[in-house]
Formats: sequence, C-alpha cells, structure tokens
Amino acid sequence: NAGVIQTPRHKVTGKGQEATLWCEPISGHSAVFWYRQTIVQGLEFLTYFRNQAPIDDSGMPKERFSAQMPNQSHSTLKIQSTQPQDSAVYLCASSRLGGRDQDTQYFGPGTRLLVL
Amino acid sequence: AQSVTQPDARVTVSEGASLQLRCKYSYFGTPYLFWYVQYPRQGLQLLLKYYPGDPVVQGVNGFEAEFSKSNSSFHLRKASVHWSDWAVYFCAVSPGTGGYKVVFGSGTRLLVSP
Repeated sequence: NAGVIQTPRHKVTGKGQEATLWCEPISGHSAVFWYRQTIVQGLEFLTYFRNQAPIDDSGMPKERFSAQMPNQSHSTLKIQSTQPQDSAVYLCASSRLGGRDQDTQYFGPGTRLLVL
Repeated sequence: AQSVTQPDARVTVSEGASLQLRCKYSYFGTPYLFWYVQYPRQGLQLLLKYYPGDPVVQGVNGFEAEFSKSNSSFHLRKASVHWSDWAVYFCAVSPGTGGYKVVFGSGTRLLVSP
C-alpha cells in the first residue's frame, strides 16, 4: 500500500499563473479531503468528496480555487491566477466510509506551493 | 457544531520527562477522537484514535490518551519523551458516522530539550 500520493511535491509558479495539484487516495477509500497549511493560519480545511461527489467546499476561496474528483483514483485542486498568499503546503487525505477505520484520515506528504 | 481546542501552542519538555498535551472538544453526543503527529516536512500521521469504549487508548511509540466525557477532554500523554518526538501534534474530532468532515485543533508544537 503506497499510501496517499500527491504530485508534485514542490511547485513554483509566477504570480497570475495556474497551478494544478494532484492527489491519488488509498485504494478502497471513498472519501477525499483537501487542506491548506501555513505557518500563520495553521491547518485549514478546504473541501471534501464522498464517493466522488463534492460534499462540503466551505473552506475553499470562492473565486480562484476549484476541486474535482473525476474518478475514484484521483482528485485535483486547481488554483487559477495564483497569488503570493496562496503559497502554502496543500495536504490531501483519504478515509474509508465504513467499518471501524471510518473517519481515520490518512494524509499524503503534501505539495509545497510557492508563488513568486 | 463540533470544535477542538488545543490551548498550548508550544510545549517544551526535557528528554526523559513525562508529557501531557491538552485537548478539549465540543460535540453533542459521543464523538470519535484522534491524535495526529506531523514531523517536519511530512504529512500528518495517526498516533491513536478513540472509539466509544475503554476511555484510555494506547497508540504508537508509547503514547496514550484518555477520553473524559465529563471534562470534554482527550489529553495525550507519554511517560518518557524522546528527542525524536519533536513534532507538531494535532487533536481532532469527528461524528464517527463515516465520510464526514473531521475537525482539527490548531496543533501543539512539542520541543524536546536535552
């Protein structure tokens, strides 16, 4: 079991460019979560999917952020017109929907985004 | 709505000393509770989790936590801290019904002094 896979591990973009972050959940996990982590704000919830359906995107900045889960094996987080304040570590996590292990989130290593 | 408070942003402990990291939760009912650890430049890793049952939960690397419904707390403990425990520790709560948002605390940074 490779765990949650996130690519790329590091990304540098110029201000105004687009950034797409990828997440491959653990096989058999049907819930996928995205978080953003910075020194100042700490760990912030962005959005999550259950059985590929978007359930709660209350943490997503409305204008430039979007997330999709086109199939059960990957999810993407897209940031359009990146700004320096988007610089952060973006974490993806997945969990099962049933059984004793439900709600235990398994995290990927994160994508470190730097916007210059 | 559920919430988690970790009142100590930073805790410093001498190597070999005992440790307690505090966690208070707010939830109507009996929640599922978690402690995660984040080592530098890594994602979060599960240390231990509580399901309704025995209030004392054993985790990895000698960590344990005790659930208290009366105090709405889930404090993390370790009898003897090692330098490798230097990390950020997050407490989290969920309704335990599967596929719902888990609410994380703000984290406690543990520093271990020689």
